[in-house]
Amino acid sequence: DGGITQSPKYLFRKEGQNVTLSCEQNLNHDAMYWYRQDPGQGLRLIYYSQIVNDFQKGDIAEGYSVSREKKESFPLTVTSAQKNPTAFYLCASITPLTGEQFFGPGTRLTVL
Amino acid sequence: SQQGEEDPQALSIQEGENATMNCSYKTSINNLQWYRQNSGRGLVHLILIRSNEREKHSGRLRVTLDTSKKSSSLLITASRAADTASYFCATGDNYGQNFVFGPGTRLSVLP
Repeated sequence: DGGITQSPKYLFRKEGQNVTLSCEQNLNHDAMYWYRQDPGQGLRLIYYSQIVNDFQKGDIAEGYSVSREKKESFPLTVTSAQKNPTAFYLCASITPLTGEQFFGPGTRLTVL
Repeated sequence: SQQGEEDPQALSIQEGENATMNCSYKTSINNLQWYRQNSGRGLVHLILIRSNEREKHSGRLRVTLDTSKKSSSLLITASRAADTASYFCATGDNYGQNFVFGPGTRLSVLP
């Protein structure tokens, strides 16, 4: 069953801690994305990766880092430098032929 | 500023009625996509329309695109309570480097 998985579903972090959100896909897609969504808002692009070992900053990359060592995996680290990290985080990959994005179920991060 | 802007921000209708949502954008695009998001969930792709297309259908969904006005509309016919969700438009190109989402329209379909 192909798709995108994100874990954990809920994550709690103390101030000053780094946390890593997992995103895995078995769709064989090259391009993957991380978005942040705040309550009642649209999605804002954090980072994206078009290919393994390459990634680009999006509109709100400050305080975040990513890696793309494998095609299937695109983990996002929320660092202590991110001043307001409480949000819903969505990972997506893109179908190369049509440009359609497939989304994971999301991770809700709460800073205590 | 955001590329896509949905209108209205919120819409409440009765079951069986049609729902129309609009999206405006600012720059040239290769394609425009509509997504649905149920509360607390990921987004689900509904339909993609390319810049050289004017209208597209998928089941109860009809999407139009007017590139001269830089706008698109999503029509949901014979709405159901299960259509209650937020709907987003996103503009982009085939390479996915310029995906920008609007703030969404929150649709409530009352039984």
